[in-house]
Amino acid sequence: AQTVTQSQPEMSVQEAETVTLSCTYDTSENNYYLFWYKQPPSRQMILVIRQEAYKQQNATENRFSVNFQKAAKSFSLKISDSQLGDTAMYFCAFMKSGDSGGSNYKLTFGKGTLLTVNP
Amino acid sequence: EPEVTQTPSHQVTQMGQEVILRCVPISNHLYFYWYRQILGQKVEFLVSFYNNEISEKSEIFDDQFSVERPDGSNFTLKIRSTKLEDSAMYFCASTQTRGYGYTFGSGTRLTVV
Repeated sequence: AQTVTQSQPEMSVQEAETVTLSCTYDTSENNYYLFWYKQPPSRQMILVIRQEAYKQQNATENRFSVNFQKAAKSFSLKISDSQLGDTAMYFCAFMKSGDSGGSNYKLTFGKGTLLTVNP
Repeated sequence: EPEVTQTPSHQVTQMGQEVILRCVPISNHLYFYWYRQILGQKVEFLVSFYNNEISEKSEIFDDQFSVERPDGSNFTLKIRSTKLEDSAMYFCASTQTRGYGYTFGSGTRLTVV
């Protein structure tokens, strides 16, 4: 079974600064996807960024980027120019891929990191 | 932007009662999921649904739980006899293409008293 570990329960950052959230995972699979989801106080889960394991290039979405280290099984999220609206719980998630029907493609989440952006 | 819609946003029910949580996935999506999040804990997979049948279910999804897509638009989660420990946030999600991440609904907070 896959596990996802987020070792930072809480973090804070000043507005406009950069912050990095850590995530490690454990799997014996070779084909998989990794995600970061954001859960603001409204509780909705919002996809922030996605990485395919077979791609060496790190994914980037505007102010959000990842540092994907496949050998180390590490998938950190960097938020640049932090904004007050970035305050949320951030979840790292793993998804196994494959051809065998529905037994793959479910998300395994970490416990989350609560990020607070201070003015 | 298309949304996954969940109703109700909050439901309070007596222990032992049946509840039905409703979801309207995005119309061209093919894969549907239910997850739950007990307060302060991680988000957990319950069940996946494709082609009108369950693809996979977790250990949490026991005989008290069922899902159906009765009319091609709604996707429901039924809990037959609720327990106190069923109190949680329940999220519906859907996707057109697996591996691209899901679109989650805004959740239903279920409180069992």
